[in-house]
Formats: sequence, C-alpha cells, structure tokens
Amino acid sequence: EADIYQTPRYLVIGTGKKITLECSQTMGHDKMYWYQQDPGMELHLIHYSYGVNSTEKGDLSSESTVSRIRTEHFPLTLESARPSHTSQYLCASSTSGRAGEQYFGPGTRLTVT
Amino acid sequence: GENVEQHPSTLSVQEGDSAVIKCTYSDSASNYFPWYKQELGKRPQLIIDIRSNVGEKKDQRIAVTLNKTAKHFSLHITETQPEDSAVYFCAASLGRATNKLIFGTGTLLAVQP
Repeated sequence: EADIYQTPRYLVIGTGKKITLECSQTMGHDKMYWYQQDPGMELHLIHYSYGVNSTEKGDLSSESTVSRIRTEHFPLTLESARPSHTSQYLCASSTSGRAGEQYFGPGTRLTVT
Repeated sequence: GENVEQHPSTLSVQEGDSAVIKCTYSDSASNYFPWYKQELGKRPQLIIDIRSNVGEKKDQRIAVTLNKTAKHFSLHITETQPEDSAVYFCAASLGRATNKLIFGTGTLLAVQP
C-alpha cells in the first residue's frame, strides 16, 4: 500500500547525542518535506527536496541536516541533540508539477533530556 | 516573510450547528489553498483544497470559499458531528511556481454532542 513511513515513532534521547529520523515513501513522489510541529501548533517547514541530490532549507531555521540519495528516502539528522529540539517532526511528500496535496507521515515525537 | 493568519484559534459548537474558520494570506502569488484536519495524535490529512481560478468548492458538508482580492479564504462545515472535532489548518502555496506551503496557526474545533 502506498504510504509514508517514519521511524522511530517516539524517541527519548540525552543531550549531545546524534540522531537520525527516517522517512520513506512508496507514493512514487519526487518532492519531500520535513516539518517541525509542537503539539497542536502550526507546522513549520524546515527542509524540502525536489528530487535526488536536491535539498534546501525551509522557512524555519533548523540545526538539522537532510540528504536525498534515493527518491523514496529522506532522512533528517541532528548532529548534537539539545532540549530545544524537543518537538514532533513530520515528513511529507507530493507529486511534481503545480502545487498540490502533500501527504504526511505519522510523525516522530522527539524528546531530548 | 510571507504568512497566513487563521481565526479563531478555538471554536466550540453544538452538534448540528455550522462552523466557519477564516484565513488571510499575504503572498499575492499564492495560487493553491488546502485545508488539513489533524486529529489528536494523528497525521494531518487533506479535507478540501481550492485553486486561485475558483471562488468556491464544496464536498458534502465541507465547503471552501476564496476571495483573491481580499486575500481571504474560509472553511465552512455544516451539520457538524462529534467526529469533526480536531485541529484544522489552512495553508497557502508560497509563490506561483513552488510546492511549498505556509500553514496557519490552527483552529481547535470542539463539537459538543
């Protein structure tokens, strides 16, 4: 079934640790996005990619980095986690062409202690 | 930078009543306006969208209206049901040739049975 998958769903980690949040999609989409969302609050775009080897920063400054080596895979990495990184991270994808529906993954809830 | 304002932040209605959520966008080049519903602990899901060449769109109990001149768009839910309770986000595309979305701050809708 076509979907967007994120792992882990929940992560509690100590300050200073390096973490990678995984996002994979079987939607066949070229465009992928990472959003940061505090509970019940608006979604802030932190990274997006229009295709393989194409990544750009979003509107919200983030200390995280991303890579896009395969079309279906868009991992997000934090080199040194801090309590201020505690949030929910949502991955999304959309088709090419004009702006259209973005499909979201289930999210990763990150807590940095 | 560009932004999307959303009102109200919370809305409580009786089952069977109508609910209206309003958004205002700043980017005059925006041409795509989706509405997402996010239930507690779930991923955002598209419920309806509209493009700038259309003034109104309806899907069963849900309708969206767009006033390009005033840069306003609104979500209308009629005959509300308890399962409509969720956070609703409006969004506007950034620019004319981009798939990036700017989200509103969200409206928590509570439908009282």
